[in-house]
Amino acid sequence: ETGVTQTPRHLVMGMTNKKSLKCEQHLGHNAMYWYKQSAKKPLELMFVYNFKEQTENNSVPSRFSPECPNSSHLFLHLHTLQPEDSALYLCASSGLRGGVYNEQFFGPGTRLTVL
Amino acid sequence: AQTVTQSQPEMSVQEAETVTLSCTYDTSESDYYLFWYKQPPSRQMILVIRQEAYKQQNATENRFSVNFQKAAKSFSLKISDSQLGDAAMYFCAYRSANSGNTPLVFGKGTRLSVIA
Repeated sequence: ETGVTQTPRHLVMGMTNKKSLKCEQHLGHNAMYWYKQSAKKPLELMFVYNFKEQTENNSVPSRFSPECPNSSHLFLHLHTLQPEDSALYLCASSGLRGGVYNEQFFGPGTRLTVL
Repeated sequence: AQTVTQSQPEMSVQEAETVTLSCTYDTSESDYYLFWYKQPPSRQMILVIRQEAYKQQNATENRFSVNFQKAAKSFSLKISDSQLGDAAMYFCAYRSANSGNTPLVFGKGTRLSVIA
């Protein structure tokens, strides 16, 4: 256990559905992240939040909409996804050390399948 | 932009033997951090070991050690006395040491199999 939880662990949805992924961290961290992990590709950073403010959007399509209501929770709202969006979605968090965010702690991921 | 390359998509090792996973990176920065993450089949990625670029001494964590060659921009992971539980995907990652929250840059990973 890394102190980062994600729900659901598996999700199957149609292209017209709307669903949300949830991430929660119990580590007192101030930064949270969404990554997409596809087969045979490096992890792709999607969004970064620092102190609930979005600081990075890595050219992610608008059908992915993040929400960070507080430093402990992060959501990824999904709507009108495409089959190529099927992947493992990982949440991570990190804390400040010496003014620098350092290693990230990852959740178990949500395996998303878009039909 | 920084890049991280893991040239071995798959590796295998006999139980109790030693294996080395390769990682090279490209950066123009002088201060940064390097990490090895392990992702077992259960998929929760965990940190194995980290190295600060300003430290010449190679990091070690029990059976895991790194060979950090800054001039060559190489950061290999050595696993000694391999165990069945070491079977996983291993990702090398880079992060700038600039203040603030610069993102991690990951390699594509190396899948390690451990043979009993």
